[in-house]
Amino acid sequence: GDSVTQMEGPVTLSEEAFLTINCTYTATGYPSLFWYVQYPGEGLQLLLKATKADDKGSNKGFEATYRKETTSFHLEKGSVQVSDSAVYFCALSRNAGNNRKLIWGLGTSLAVNP
Amino acid sequence: NAGVMQNPRHLVRRRGQEARLRCSPMKGHSHVYWYRQLPEEGLKFMVYLQKENIIDESGMPKERFSAEFPKEGPSILRIQQVVRGDSAAYFCASSQDRGSYEQYFGPGTRLTVT
Repeated sequence: GDSVTQMEGPVTLSEEAFLTINCTYTATGYPSLFWYVQYPGEGLQLLLKATKADDKGSNKGFEATYRKETTSFHLEKGSVQVSDSAVYFCALSRNAGNNRKLIWGLGTSLAVNP
Repeated sequence: NAGVMQNPRHLVRRRGQEARLRCSPMKGHSHVYWYRQLPEEGLKFMVYLQKENIIDESGMPKERFSAEFPKEGPSILRIQQVVRGDSAAYFCASSQDRGSYEQYFGPGTRLTVT
């Protein structure tokens, strides 16, 4: 069945460092891909998405490109801030007919030090 | 426009009691999803509902768990005879009837079974 694999954390970076969080998926066809962020004690917020191959999602300085050939959707940011400290989840959904459930990676915890 | 609302935010139940978790979707959204986040595990899909209909319950435990989304009022996730293993964060999300089907999440209900 469909699955998502994320790099394990925690990831600890200094402010202004470059961030990459790897995400690969297993699915037939062309699922939609998402990154969600969960700040401490809060719910999940959609960070960015891509719905077809070679699409690039971007938001708040974060980017991820839908790579069909490598089945990947890695999250990147050029310069992280302390406020980016959170848990990041990669997810996929088929969004086809009645199949709309999100299938999640385990999450990657990011801590950014000043 | 108010976001997805969940209540209570925190719920403590003794083993054997019933837990009722409520979710009010965003205005204009008619689709509701429930997810569970267990300690040390990722997020898992539980159930997908539209008004008065269960569309996909493939992630629901076969016993003790039920969900509804009545014509009027919030969606309810009900857990009967709770056990310690039910302790988790339960998140509700909602989406539109058409379009991008993006899921917007509530803040979650943290259930603790003592």
